[in-house]
Amino acid sequence: AQTVTQSQPEMSVQEAETVTLSCTYDTSESNYYLFWYKQPPSRQMILVIRQEAYKQQNATENRFSVNFQKAAKSFSLKISDSQLGDTAMYFCAFMKLKLTGGGNKLTFGTGTQLKVEL
Amino acid sequence: NAGVMQNPRHLVRRRGQEARLRCSPMKGHSHVYWYRQLPEEGLKFMVYLQKENIIDESGMPKERFSAEFPKEGPSILRIQQVVRGDSAAYFCASSEMIAGEDTQYFGPGTRLTVL
Repeated sequence: AQTVTQSQPEMSVQEAETVTLSCTYDTSESNYYLFWYKQPPSRQMILVIRQEAYKQQNATENRFSVNFQKAAKSFSLKISDSQLGDTAMYFCAFMKLKLTGGGNKLTFGTGTQLKVEL
Repeated sequence: NAGVMQNPRHLVRRRGQEARLRCSPMKGHSHVYWYRQLPEEGLKFMVYLQKENIIDESGMPKERFSAEFPKEGPSILRIQQVVRGDSAAYFCASSEMIAGEDTQYFGPGTRLTVL
């Protein structure tokens, strides 16, 4: 069974600054996906970024980037130029890759509540 | 392209009643997942379905909970004889393996309150 650990229950950052949220996972699988989702006060789950384990290059999406360390089983999220709208709960998630047909469950961490302050 | 739709958004039931939660996947998606989020906790997997088939129900409580995804119409999560501990947000997600990408997109959730 896979486990996902987010060791920072809460974090805060000043607007326009950079913040890094940490995530570690435990698995015996070699093919998998990793995701960061955000959940703002509206409670909607929104995909932030995804990383395929077979790709060595770290994923980036505008101000969001990851530091994926496969050997260390670490998957941190960096948010640059933080904005007030980034205030949300951030969840790290793991999904085992199915080679045919797709589809598999997500295993989530417990989340990090990020507050962006003026 | 409409996203994942869930209804109702809010549902209030008294103990012992039945709750039916509906989910329409994103257009073109054939995989549907249900997750539960208890207050102040992360999301926990419940069940994964494809059309007319339950693929993985390892996270589903053995009693009172059932799910279906019929050939026509939305996926339904059914909770019989609800208890106060069933109060939670229930999220549906959908996905499809397209061009090697298999990302789950979530609906807005149904918030169930059991009185």
